[in-house]
Amino acid sequence: EAQVTQNPRYLITVTGKKLTVTCSQNMNHEYMSWYRQDPGLGLRQIYYSMNVEVTDKGDVPEGYKVSRKEKRNFPLILESPSPNQTSLYFCASSPDRNGIYGYTFGSGTRLTVV
Amino acid sequence: AQSVSQHNHHVILSEAASLELGCNYSYGGTVNLFWYVQYPGQHLQLLLKYFSGDPLVKGIKGFEAEFIKSKFSFNLRKPSVQWSDTAEYFCAVNPHNNNDMRFGAGTRLTVKP
Repeated sequence: EAQVTQNPRYLITVTGKKLTVTCSQNMNHEYMSWYRQDPGLGLRQIYYSMNVEVTDKGDVPEGYKVSRKEKRNFPLILESPSPNQTSLYFCASSPDRNGIYGYTFGSGTRLTVV
Repeated sequence: AQSVSQHNHHVILSEAASLELGCNYSYGGTVNLFWYVQYPGQHLQLLLKYFSGDPLVKGIKGFEAEFIKSKFSFNLRKPSVQWSDTAEYFCAVNPHNNNDMRFGAGTRLTVKP
């Protein structure tokens, strides 16, 4: 089944403890992206990647890192999480660099930083 | 950068009522337009999309949307909603040939049985 898989689905952590949220897609998509979803703000892009080893900042990149060493994986790294990073995170992918087919989203990761 | 406005934050309807959710965007060039739906506790799923051609596009589950270029709008419609349509709906805009998808803040739809 074609899908974007995120792990974990739920995570509670403490301020400053490094964490990684994994994202993997099995559709050979070139483009991958991370969003955070907050009430009343919709989805805001954190980072995106046009292809392997090509990443760029979205609208809210502060406090986050990403890497794209392989086409299928696009992990999101929080080096020192803070409470304002408590949010619902979605990974998304699309087949092409132009996004004309829309995105396939993962199931989401609900992160709480205390 | 382009932006997307969804006028209604929360819409409450009874079953069989007609639905129209507004979406306006600000971008001067050619765009690709999308509506996504997020059922409670689930991820976003593509409802319908517009690239070019007929400005009235039909999606899954009886939804349709009309692109009105002069108004920079892409409103979502359904003639008769069902309780199972209860969800959050997001409008999204992507400039043509430039992957910079922008989402609106979302409209929460509650359908009362």
